Amino acid sequence: EAGVTQFPSHSVIEKGQTVTLRCDPISGHDNLYWYRRVMGKEIKFLLHFVKESKQDESGMPNNRFLAERTGGTYSTLKVQPAELEDSGVYFCASSQARVPLHFGNGTRLTVT
Amino acid sequence: GQQLNQSPQSMFIQEGEDVSMNCTSSSIFNTWLWYKQDPGEGPVLLIALYKAGELTSNGRLTAQFGITRKDSFLNISASIPSDVGIYFCAGQETSGSRLTFGEGTQLTVNP
Repeated sequence: EAGVTQFPSHSVIEKGQTVTLRCDPISGHDNLYWYRRVMGKEIKFLLHFVKESKQDESGMPNNRFLAERTGGTYSTLKVQPAELEDSGVYFCASSQARVPLHFGNGTRLTVT
Repeated sequence: GQQLNQSPQSMFIQEGEDVSMNCTSSSIFNTWLWYKQDPGEGPVLLIALYKAGELTSNGRLTAQFGITRKDSFLNISASIPSDVGIYFCAGQETSGSRLTFGEGTQLTVNP
């Protein structure tokens, strides 16, 4: 079974630019989560989809972040415009239960 | 918001030694999880604990869900070089589905 796939693995952009991260969950997993780890700190929750619906988006930092999951399959996370403090590793996870068990390898975002 | 205190932040040990790390919280969790992250990869689930007082093993790894529901520990016995990585604890509150992670324990094993 293919795991959770994230693209790109790395992204370097300038402050003010836009970046879109993509996550392909494990096939059949209704639950999809986005997390972020900034500067060696703890991994922080961003939001949770159940199929195409946002179950919990209370971890989204601000309105520069927009997550979508059209059709309930893959998800995108767009940052527009990017700021320096948005740098970090963005993880996607999916599961069939309410506890995320399968994480992707992450997208390392660097905003300069 | 919720915070987990994970300690130690880092450990440097010799191959063959045992390792212990723990997490504490000011709030109750109904699920405790332990993950390991290797460089360039995502966290991989090691052990999941669902009941207070539960003690679970996975090979050389043993983890316990504290009886108060506010803490958990992970032990690694007879460490080997491939145990190197960052270990994260995570808790799930009694309501909602988000996980709260600790800051991680960076483990280095010297051959």
